[in-house]
Amino acid sequence: DTAVSQTPKYLVTQMGNDKSIKCEQNLGHDTMYWYKQDSKKFLKIMFSYNNKELIINETVPNRFSPKSPDKAHLNLHINSLELGDSAVYFCASSLQGVQNNEQFFGPGTRLTVL
Amino acid sequence: GDSVTQMEGPVTLSEEAFLTINCTYTATGYPSLFWYVQYPGEGLQLLLKATKADDKGSNKGFEATYRKETTSFHLEKGSVQVSDSAVYFCAHKGADSWGKFQFGAGTQVVVTP
Repeated sequence: DTAVSQTPKYLVTQMGNDKSIKCEQNLGHDTMYWYKQDSKKFLKIMFSYNNKELIINETVPNRFSPKSPDKAHLNLHINSLELGDSAVYFCASSLQGVQNNEQFFGPGTRLTVL
Repeated sequence: GDSVTQMEGPVTLSEEAFLTINCTYTATGYPSLFWYVQYPGEGLQLLLKATKADDKGSNKGFEATYRKETTSFHLEKGSVQVSDSAVYFCAHKGADSWGKFQFGAGTQVVVTP
């Protein structure tokens, strides 16, 4: 009965490769997010989708491309991986239209670029 | 613009000590306020929240009160345990129903036996 799940949990790859991280939520939420957490635990919003439409697109290299096939899924594809992409990536979801609703987070994907 | 500022860590305490983590925010209107906790190797999970002025959120012995006059939402616990060692994030969500989430930088807390 996992609420927000991500795969894989760990991803180790070489510079220049292309990789994807998948996220699924079974909470019936309509909004999903991707965050990047650096080694100092700082959390940076990357993207947000509401009902499959992109609503937040922060200053992120265009090597990062989110894709939302439906409301329950938001995947993140990264092209030409660089050393600086090493971080923990978190998916989250929430229900918009309700002011006090919190975000629910997945367990994270630790990406290591060698 | 809207922002959340919380005290820098790491905060190192002995077991049974009193914990306070300061959090202040800037926002228009009345945002909802949250504290999240991240245990080692895990994702963030909601610890408590408050949705209007003078509301007190509480959970697992932690408390925080929504102070509109000082734009603060300080987290407190009277007697910490080693298991409370984690990173704590203060956050707010904009006042309207489509408000954007804003997270603080996180405060690492280390509790020693």
